[in-house]
Amino acid sequence: RKEVEQDPGPFNVPEGATVAFNCTYSNSASQSFFWYRQDCRKEPKLLMSVYSSGNEDGRFTAQLNRASQYISLLIRDSKLSDSATYLCVVTRGDSSYKLIFGSGTRLLVRP
Amino acid sequence: GAGVSQSPSNKVTEKGKDVELRCDPISGHTALYWYRQSLGQGLEFLIYFQGNSAPDKSGLPSDRFSAERTGGSVSTLTIQRTQQEDSAVYLCASSRTVGETQYFGPGTRLLVL
Repeated sequence: RKEVEQDPGPFNVPEGATVAFNCTYSNSASQSFFWYRQDCRKEPKLLMSVYSSGNEDGRFTAQLNRASQYISLLIRDSKLSDSATYLCVVTRGDSSYKLIFGSGTRLLVRP
Repeated sequence: GAGVSQSPSNKVTEKGKDVELRCDPISGHTALYWYRQSLGQGLEFLIYFQGNSAPDKSGLPSDRFSAERTGGSVSTLTIQRTQQEDSAVYLCASSRTVGETQYFGPGTRLLVL
């Protein structure tokens, strides 16, 4: 079983739609959680950190459920520029620097 | 300011040859990381350097892989006797210190024929 599991998608949605991605992680000792965005043939870039209380950044909302070991990302009012692969990332419980990446969920926003 | 840079951007080599991949971290960043992204796979941690501390090599897949960081700045990842399964994108990241946001370079695409 992978340490971080994501639905690979693709999610194909029209502009303006709301879309949600889910992610589960297996190591209950994981301490930090992130969503990264990766455009085709580009490097990953941090989208947002995920906190236990949930956090919002503009159109993006991230939630963490430690009991269920579940992370989510909600994108409201999708834009064409949101088309990318979204990577769920956790740190391995025994270190704060080893990022463990999911395989990513691909989002396609169509006009 | 300048981000993380990596060279070469692309490398094609023959099976059995050695390759060296270079990473220049963001100036002032003490922590440096190497990851590998194989086709259709998530990023895989390889090795981590923090200042003058001994590196964490726990992610290196075999003893054909090694890395060094000279002067606390530039790092080189070396793959000896390359195999076809080594074909991947090798990504370097740096952070100001351990636990802070990791910024990735554009990667080196390695193809072993």
